Amino acid sequence: QITLKESGPTLVKPTQTLTLTCTFSGFSLTTSGVGVGWIRQPPGKALEWLALIFWDDDKGYSPFLKSRLTITKDTSKNQVVLTMTNMDPVDTATYYCARIIPWAYGPTFDYWGRGTLVTVSS
Amino acid sequence: QSALTQPPSASGSPGQSVAISCTGTSSDVGGYNYVSWYQQHPGKAPKLMIYEVSKRPSGVPDRFSGSKSGNTASLTVSGLQAEDEADYYCASYAGNNNLGVFGTGTKVTVL
Repeated sequence: QITLKESGPTLVKPTQTLTLTCTFSGFSLTTSGVGVGWIRQPPGKALEWLALIFWDDDKGYSPFLKSRLTITKDTSKNQVVLTMTNMDPVDTATYYCARIIPWAYGPTFDYWGRGTLVTVSS
Repeated sequence: QSALTQPPSASGSPGQSVAISCTGTSSDVGGYNYVSWYQQHPGKAPKLMIYEVSKRPSGVPDRFSGSKSGNTASLTVSGLQAEDEADYYCASYAGNNNLGVFGTGTKVTVL
């Protein structure tokens, strides 16, 4: 059974750095073709892809947010960590992590976490 | 790169069909056969319904089908059921420099 779960702060202040952890089970990020991504959704708005990391440590970032994002993995803990710098109230959103269908291209996520709501406010 | 364009809403009666369009450019939808569709019920995580334009993951009813022509992809839901009422998002691969872009979303209402 494949599961993913997001964890991190629910409230951050403007200009702070957000660190979110995705802890997963049922698959391994050491298996060829496997990848995990982060997606966010502001309240009442559309999904927005943020970053991806693959089994071979290849990474991809949204070109709009690339300068603010870092994605890493810890295969021993089955975790993927996303950091986003210089948070702003417009970054208030539910943040999801999800698994990419092995060897798929693009935002092809077959398993999702439940999401975590992050509010940016002073 | 802009989000893919979807109609804000679509509706149909139970048993009818509804089609949702997803328009991009030759740099995303038109350039690759890597379009996916997601269903999202209120307060829930998205669920993958279609990938690689027309493939269905295991467990997704065959009432859901996908297609593509040029820069526009489409999701068709046949034999509408009450539980199909949800938001639907398309997504596409957009090349090595932009691994993906989502659509603006369509709210499907079952009348």
